[in-house]
Amino acid sequence: KNQVEQSPQSLIILEGKNCTLQCNYTVSPFSNLRWYKQDTGRGPVSLTIMTFSENTKSNGRYTATLDADTKQSSLHITASQLSDSASYICVVFSGTYKYIFGTGTRLKVLA
Amino acid sequence: DSGVTQTPKHLITATGQRVTLRCSPRSGDLSVYWYQQSLDQGLQFLIQYYNGEERAKGNILERFSAQQFPDLHSELNLSSLELGDSALYFCASSATGQGAREQYFGPGTRLTVT
Repeated sequence: KNQVEQSPQSLIILEGKNCTLQCNYTVSPFSNLRWYKQDTGRGPVSLTIMTFSENTKSNGRYTATLDADTKQSSLHITASQLSDSASYICVVFSGTYKYIFGTGTRLKVLA
Repeated sequence: DSGVTQTPKHLITATGQRVTLRCSPRSGDLSVYWYQQSLDQGLQFLIQYYNGEERAKGNILERFSAQQFPDLHSELNLSSLELGDSALYFCASSATGQGAREQYFGPGTRLTVT
């Protein structure tokens, strides 16, 4: 069964700290993996798209990694800011017009 | 601002009714996607259109239907509404129908069924 599982479900960190969010998937076939940031009540905003051959991709303070062999991805946030408080969603595109979404990690950054 | 517009922002209606949600994609984008996000739930892919044609179907109920018009805007029709249909409905657009391209999400329409 095609699934995308994210951990932790929620996370609270202090401003300025780093954190890492995890995404494990069992989707096949695999075309690409995306990380989105979604503020409460708003539409998701893309952070990165990674294909099979890409191991690491950065977007400012966000760095995503992909291990296609173990079917795991992570999103590392460096020097967190209050504005990083949001849900982070991992999405796998299977290449057959199927988008499988994880349920997200809710991050809260405290001052 | 993603460039994708959705109307209305909020919609409150009663069970059994029918509503239409509208989406205008970014200028130049040919593909439109519809998603449903229930309270505290993940996003569910409903349906994709590319240049006026249906491209892919996800978990879309038979009570729901969509279309994309020649000017590329899209409408999602929800009928015989039930309480469980209360959710945020997002539209996204991309340049092509290929899954490798970036999707840009609109601000969403919040539907409340009472």
